Amino acid sequence: DAGVIQSPRHEVTEMGQEVTLRCKPISGHDYLFWYRQTMMRGLELLIYFNNNVPIDDSGMPEDRFSAKMPNASFSTLKIQPSEPRDSAVYFCASSTSYEQYFGPGTRLTVT
Amino acid sequence: SQQGEEDPQALSIQEGENATMNCSYKTSINNLQWYRQNSGRGLVHLILIRSNEREKHSGRLRVTLDTSKKSSSLLITASRAADTASYFCATDLDSNYQLIWGAGTKLIIKP
Repeated sequence: DAGVIQSPRHEVTEMGQEVTLRCKPISGHDYLFWYRQTMMRGLELLIYFNNNVPIDDSGMPEDRFSAKMPNASFSTLKIQPSEPRDSAVYFCASSTSYEQYFGPGTRLTVT
Repeated sequence: SQQGEEDPQALSIQEGENATMNCSYKTSINNLQWYRQNSGRGLVHLILIRSNEREKHSGRLRVTLDTSKKSSSLLITASRAADTASYFCATDLDSNYQLIWGAGTKLIIKP
């Protein structure tokens, strides 16, 4: 298995633009987690899904953020409109139990 | 939210020496995990210790858990330059496999 796949690896965009981050979990994993990592705030859980259903989105910063999981092999995290404070590394992780498998992350820079 | 707190925040040692990192947490747990993050990469699972276990080994890694003190330690023996990374502890929050993460310890191994 190729592991968790994320795209793009790097994204540079201007404030106000829409950003879509993509994730393909490991086949057979029924949990999918979206995290954001910054130096100031560390690793923050944004939202997670079980069997494609959002379970807890209390970590989503505000209405500008939305996430979907239309099927077991694909999830998106969308930011619209983006702001400079959204600059961070966004990770997707999948699991079948407590051990989580992380993707390589998407480094987002909003100017 | 962050439950685990690692200390020290940063640790710099000579290659060949042992490195010890500590993690404290606040609420009762089912298990505790340690992850490693190399610069610019996603987190990688190292080891999981259950609440009824006191010590666990994996190669050069030794993890201890003291549930009475709500603390855990990660010992890396005979450190190598490749061990340079940040190390995070994570505890389970609920049966949905959501984890609570510490802020991490940055370990630097000097050649």
